[in-house]
This record gives sequence, structure tokens and C-alpha cells, in this order.
Amino acid sequence: GAGVSQTPSNKVTEKGKYVELRCDPISGHTALYWYRQSLGQGPEFLIYFQGTGAADDSGLPNDRFFAVRPEGSVSTLKIQRTERGDSAVYLCASSLNRDTEAFFGQGTRLTVV
Amino acid sequence: SQKIEQNSEALNIQEGKTATLTCNYTNYSPAYLQWYRQDPGRGPVFLLLIRENEKEKRKERLKVTFDTTLKQSLFHITASQPADSATYLCALIYNQGGKLIFGQGTELSVKP
Repeated sequence: GAGVSQTPSNKVTEKGKYVELRCDPISGHTALYWYRQSLGQGPEFLIYFQGTGAADDSGLPNDRFFAVRPEGSVSTLKIQRTERGDSAVYLCASSLNRDTEAFFGQGTRLTVV
Repeated sequence: SQKIEQNSEALNIQEGKTATLTCNYTNYSPAYLQWYRQDPGRGPVFLLLIRENEKEKRKERLKVTFDTTLKQSLFHITASQPADSATYLCALIYNQGGKLIFGQGTELSVKP
């Protein structure tokens, strides 16, 4: 597709379960970002990839959160032992390189019940 | 750590007026500063990018300024329209690392 695609668009899970959120960036974009956004707040940085490697994962809140981008394209954000506080919209963005505009997906709304 | 502050109060203006939104940051200046628009239920959409060595950038009805002395960027929408109503986010990139850091956003409402 032409834009950044995130799946699923909505995910409801029970506390303690494991979830995976997927991001398909724009083809050819080397930079990929994951953010978390709560209502009324700006996107909170989680992790940034350049190619296959995580250039900066300082925003991951704890070791329950992990993200991969094995072939430098699709990325998966993985959350173990989900907690109610993990409920938020998870946004993915990609850019051609770090100093150009970032294109965002529609986000995955995660609800932990 | 670096802090980015945008007007926390919503901005309400009359159609046709100029809207001015503020983005302040602490500590050292970023290499690039970007402005995004976000509508409810959607991801942010890029509007403008300004570099550290640039003072001003324009695009149609939009203008961005960047003052590294004041550590501030101003975002202006001239001849505002109700369709400009949205949340506007500023985002910074520093030379070290390259991650894009966002402010909390300012909600703009343009009344007809």
C-alpha cells in the first residue's frame, strides 16, 4: 500500500496476556518509530529503528516491551504480561531517513481489561 | 532530560484570524523541528520542517519560526478556517540518536 499500515486497528486483551502489534512501513523507508499515545497527550516515544537495528530503545517502559524489525521492513511490537496501564493507542511511523517527514499509521488501539 | 512544552490550553479563534501556537524546549537546540496536525482517531500528519540554521519557513497559509536563543518555535496559520480545527504537535530531532520527540499538542478550534 501507499501508506503505513498497522494491524490490528483494535485489540482487546485480558490482563496478563501477550500481544503483538504489527507495522508495515512505506517501502524503502529506513527509519521506523513506535509511539504510545494516551488521550489528550502527545505521542510518547518508545523505540526507533534504522534498518534492522534498534537505534534507540530508551522509551520502552520496562522489559515487558520488546520490538523487532528482522528484515528492515515490517516491525512487530510485543508486550508480555499486559497490564491495564498499557491501554493506549500505539502508533507506528516511518521516514526515508531521520531528517525527513515521518508518515504515521492509523494506530492500534489496545485495551487491557 | 529534554522537555518540550506547548500551550496546554485549547486555542479558540474566529475564522479569518491568525492562529499562533507555541513550542518551547529546554536545554540544547534540536537539529530539526517539525510540526504535525492530528485529527481525532487518526495518526499525526506532517506539515512543516525547519532546520536549526533556518529562521522561518512558509507553506501556503502556514508559517513556522525557529528561535534558538529563545528556545522556541512559533507556528502560524493565517486566514484560519474551521477546517483547520485539530490538535497541532511540535516534534524535535537532535543530532545525537535521531529519535523524534513530541510535545503534548495544542488543540485549535476555529469558529465560523
